Amino acid sequence: GESVGLHLPTLSVQEGDNSIINCAYSNSASDYFIWYKQESGKGPQFIIDIRSNMDKRQGQRVTVLLNKTVKHLSLQIAATQPGDSAVYFCAESLASGGSYIPTFGRGTSLIVHP
Amino acid sequence: DAGVTQSPTHLIKTRGQQVTLRCSPKSGHDTVSWYQQALGQGPQFIFQYYEEEERQRGNFPDRFSGHQFPNYSSELNVNALLLGDSALYLCASSLGAAGGLSETQYFGPGTRLLVL
Repeated sequence: GESVGLHLPTLSVQEGDNSIINCAYSNSASDYFIWYKQESGKGPQFIIDIRSNMDKRQGQRVTVLLNKTVKHLSLQIAATQPGDSAVYFCAESLASGGSYIPTFGRGTSLIVHP
Repeated sequence: DAGVTQSPTHLIKTRGQQVTLRCSPKSGHDTVSWYQQALGQGPQFIFQYYEEEERQRGNFPDRFSGHQFPNYSSELNVNALLLGDSALYLCASSLGAAGGLSETQYFGPGTRLLVL
């Protein structure tokens, strides 16, 4: 079946730096994308989403970029903080049966050094 | 405003046994989805319940079944447990718009199941 993958399984940054987490998705028909953050011992936490009719969306300290031509998604975190340390998942989804069911990749571990 | 809650937090079973996991959705949400997350992997979709019916199902065997109650809470049942069923089981809730699409899902903390 279709799958979502990540280029870098682990990303280490210094506190205050900007972080960029990349993701390649495989289903060109996917039209809704989500980034989740998962801290140890917790469930995934919604960060930001973007629809396929957009190429950029900004939140608080986070920006998601979507390049449909190369099926690439990225999450940018500005002024990374130690509390940002977690595993980040991108998920692609396609409307089906009245719902969007996200397909997750393996995740990227972000380590922020103080 | 209570978020998604799950019980129990941890569970140990032996092969061949049956297990029931429980989930209460976020206040105001009516759609519940279940996921299995193996160690080091992303969550894998099991099924989704809406209006007390299974609306969608992922690639999981019939040993995995579920139920949704009138108050929107849900149960996940797994029969004839295998060692490979050891994982974190996540529940996610969302709001299913009538005639529209249920979108962003909010996850609970999960139930850690260990099968020995």
